[in-house]
Amino acid sequence: DARVTQTPRHKVTEMGQEVTMRCQPILGHNTVFWYRQTMMQGLELLAYFRNRAPLDDSGMPKDRFSAEMPDATLATLKIQPSEPRDSAVYFCASALTGYEQYFGPGTRLTVT
Amino acid sequence: TQLLEQSPQFLSIQEGENLTVYCNSSSVFSSLQWYRQEPGEGPVLLVTVVTGGEVKKLKRLTFQFGDARKDSSLHITAAQPGDTGLYLCAGPLDGNKLVFGAGTILRVKS
Repeated sequence: DARVTQTPRHKVTEMGQEVTMRCQPILGHNTVFWYRQTMMQGLELLAYFRNRAPLDDSGMPKDRFSAEMPDATLATLKIQPSEPRDSAVYFCASALTGYEQYFGPGTRLTVT
Repeated sequence: TQLLEQSPQFLSIQEGENLTVYCNSSSVFSSLQWYRQEPGEGPVLLVTVVTGGEVKKLKRLTFQFGDARKDSSLHITAAQPGDTGLYLCAGPLDGNKLVFGAGTILRVKS
């Protein structure tokens, strides 16, 4: 059955290291979102793409975060260098039309 | 300040009890969505309400959209342990973006 997949599911890294998270959206979905979830801030939109083009990345710290869609089946979120405050669960979601988004299982990132 | 305010933040009840959680805003939304998130998983869409005053039922869950389209409620009848999770409401912004409330954490004890 169709679902969004994310890798890795868990990542522990040291401050200053590069982190890359990957997402495979549901086949045929043309819109991909990256969210970050923390206890304090809840679910925050970082960036999103439509037809692989970035539409909005205003929620993303520009100096260290970058998001790309190399092709229609892969979205990446990179943090370089990582900091302890980046520790959170990062979700990818995809959508076809309208506002009904399908979320992946998330990547739990811990930066020590 | 959250655009969508959810209450209560936490709810712990016994199996079989009824409960209602709320999602309120000072802004008008064209529609509102409810998601449930279980531990270690991503949010899963439960329902979208689109018409002011609309009521939708999903088994033991009843969703209502306020007449003025500024608020919504979720009522669960005879809660079960499987209903445990984080309930999030979300409303559309421009360009297919959603804004989420902070959520209500529900724990149903057996």
